[in-house]
Amino acid sequence: QVQLVQSGAEVKKPGASVKVSCKASGYTFTSYDINWVRQATGQGLEWVGWMNANSGKIGFGQKFQGRVTMTWDTSTTTAYMELSSLRSEDTAVYYCARYASATYKFDYWGQGTLVTDSS
Amino acid sequence: QSALTQPRSVSGSPGQSVTISCTGTTSDVGAYNYVSWYQHHPGKAPKLMIYDVTRRPSGVPDRFSGSKSGNTASLTISGLQAEDEADYYCCSYAGTHPWVFGGGTKVTVL
Repeated sequence: QVQLVQSGAEVKKPGASVKVSCKASGYTFTSYDINWVRQATGQGLEWVGWMNANSGKIGFGQKFQGRVTMTWDTSTTTAYMELSSLRSEDTAVYYCARYASATYKFDYWGQGTLVTDSS
Repeated sequence: QSALTQPRSVSGSPGQSVTISCTGTTSDVGAYNYVSWYQHHPGKAPKLMIYDVTRRPSGVPDRFSGSKSGNTASLTISGLQAEDEADYYCCSYAGTHPWVFGGGTKVTVL
């Protein structure tokens, strides 16, 4: 069965970077995009960006340009999202979600990774 | 891109129906028939409930239905059950800013 398993919670100081992983299983990793979505405490969901390991294409929401890096390892079917220059407002649960091109739906999600500001 | 507007909470008794609205703009909900809905039990992975405004993935009970009129999409849960108590989020494709989500609605089963 399709599974997206994310790395554990992180506590970071302002200005630091955090790297969240998302290990995919149960499907062909390169056939789907991985999107990243976050949810700050008490807030709604916010799209961060997407990547496709087959095409190598990456895209980000405007507010994350310059601060987010998306990479992947096809040998371990793992996607990574790194967010730098962390601010207090980046404290959130970060989710990865699978997306099949032109289907306009996120059909499977990871369990989420809490990134907290240590200040 | 602004978030889609959802009511903070709705409630109903078991067996009743509840409807959650999701209001966007002519750039997202009104422009595309690509609205999806996600159920989220805290601490768990969100689950796709509706896509393409009205379609249900296999395994989702037919108690869940979606619709859209103009810039507002809606999710209706008929025959409310205790396990339906969760947060629900709408999402719309928005073209060049591809995805916009709602603020979430807490459904309480009384």
